[in-house]
Amino acid sequence: GENVEQHPSTLSVQEGDSAVIKCTYSDSASNYFPWYKQELGKRPQLIIDIRSNVGEKKDQRIAVTLNKTAKHFSLHITETQPEDSAVYFCAASGDYGQNFVFGPGTRLSVLP
Amino acid sequence: NAGVTQTPKFRILKIGQSMTLQCTQDMNHNYMYWYRQDPGMGLKLIYYSVGAGITDKGEVPNGYNVSRSTTEDFPLRLELAAPSQTSVYFCASSSASGRNEQFFGPGTRLTVL
Repeated sequence: GENVEQHPSTLSVQEGDSAVIKCTYSDSASNYFPWYKQELGKRPQLIIDIRSNVGEKKDQRIAVTLNKTAKHFSLHITETQPEDSAVYFCAASGDYGQNFVFGPGTRLSVLP
Repeated sequence: NAGVTQTPKFRILKIGQSMTLQCTQDMNHNYMYWYRQDPGMGLKLIYYSVGAGITDKGEVPNGYNVSRSTTEDFPLRLELAAPSQTSVYFCASSSASGRNEQFFGPGTRLTVL
């Protein structure tokens, strides 16, 4: 089955700097790669996602890149703000949401 | 749309008691999932369902049971509760077509003493 690894497990950045979180997956059949943000005590919520027919996707300060050959994808957050502090989870699944597997998470702290 | 709803929000159980965590979605999603999240940890899949009448085990199914008699409901049953089942339980759902985003419920915080 699918296995998703995520690095780093914790990340501290100064406000205004960029943050990058990387994930690798094992199943070449995976085609959908979402990123979730979980604030303390709340439910995970989708912040951005990408499909395998796209190499990069951007939404304001957040971008995701995908290298399907190498089986890795990354989350990039620019101009970080204190409200970006949270746990971020990557995930991978098939075309129809089957075999949905989450990575172990990255705790991002944005220091003022 | 209410999205994914879960009841109860909090529950304290004694060792050996049983309970059912309720999950309902009103988005007509085919897929539904149960996760547990221990403090400071990631999401571990307990059970999932790809449609009414179909369920399958995830990574950590021991001590739990599920059923999916309707598209909307996916209850999680705990039999003989143990302290190791103290956790936050999230139910989620997704569509098999279009965007496959998983929508999460607000969670149930369970403590077993």
